[in-house]
Amino acid sequence: KAGVTQTPRYLIKTRGQQVTLSCSPISGHRSVSWYQQTPGQGLQFLFEYFSETQRNKGNFPGRFSGRQFSNSRSEMNVSTLELGDSALYLCASSGWASGGPGDTQYFGPGTRLTVL
Amino acid sequence: AQKVTQAQTEISVVEKEDVTLDCVYETRDTTYYLFWYKQPPSGELVFLIRRNSFDEQNEISGRYSWNFQKSTSSFNFTITASQVVDSAVYFCAKHGANSKLTFGKGITLSVRP
Repeated sequence: KAGVTQTPRYLIKTRGQQVTLSCSPISGHRSVSWYQQTPGQGLQFLFEYFSETQRNKGNFPGRFSGRQFSNSRSEMNVSTLELGDSALYLCASSGWASGGPGDTQYFGPGTRLTVL
Repeated sequence: AQKVTQAQTEISVVEKEDVTLDCVYETRDTTYYLFWYKQPPSGELVFLIRRNSFDEQNEISGRYSWNFQKSTSSFNFTITASQVVDSAVYFCAKHGANSKLTFGKGITLSVRP
């Protein structure tokens, strides 16, 4: 099976702009989670989508949003970019379909966002 | 917040040495899952192992082994006979009652030839 794919791999934006990142999960996986990785804060959970619904959310401002489509592909959007949004954004998919946790999350290569 | 602590930040060894990466976690959950991921310079997180809280058996996979001890809330990872290709950042993570993975800060392992 093909792995998780993310596009684009690199992005350079300026403060105040907005950006949309895309993630295609492993075929058959219905859960997509997004994480932000920075040198200072490490890996932090942004949100998780399952069947087009946001199921969990981390502690990020409302400028960070996402959605999931009927084919399980997901996008995340960051509006009014700030310098501190520069990070590696990782998407992960899992086959979690029940009410319980624990399914392994498989990660994509990430999108490296630089905000100037 | 239920933390995952990786107290070691950087480890440097010479090829063929054994190395153990430590992981300690906090939890209030009865059922939980622990993971190790490897992040090479390319940036992608590579899944290594998943362990649930009811299975305290140690696991060995080739040169890799994991020691899970509920009594000390630890889930340590040992690489035997390390190789240069093992150089990467290693993350320990925990899944609790929801789908959110909580990661440790990561350990940078450098294996010198």
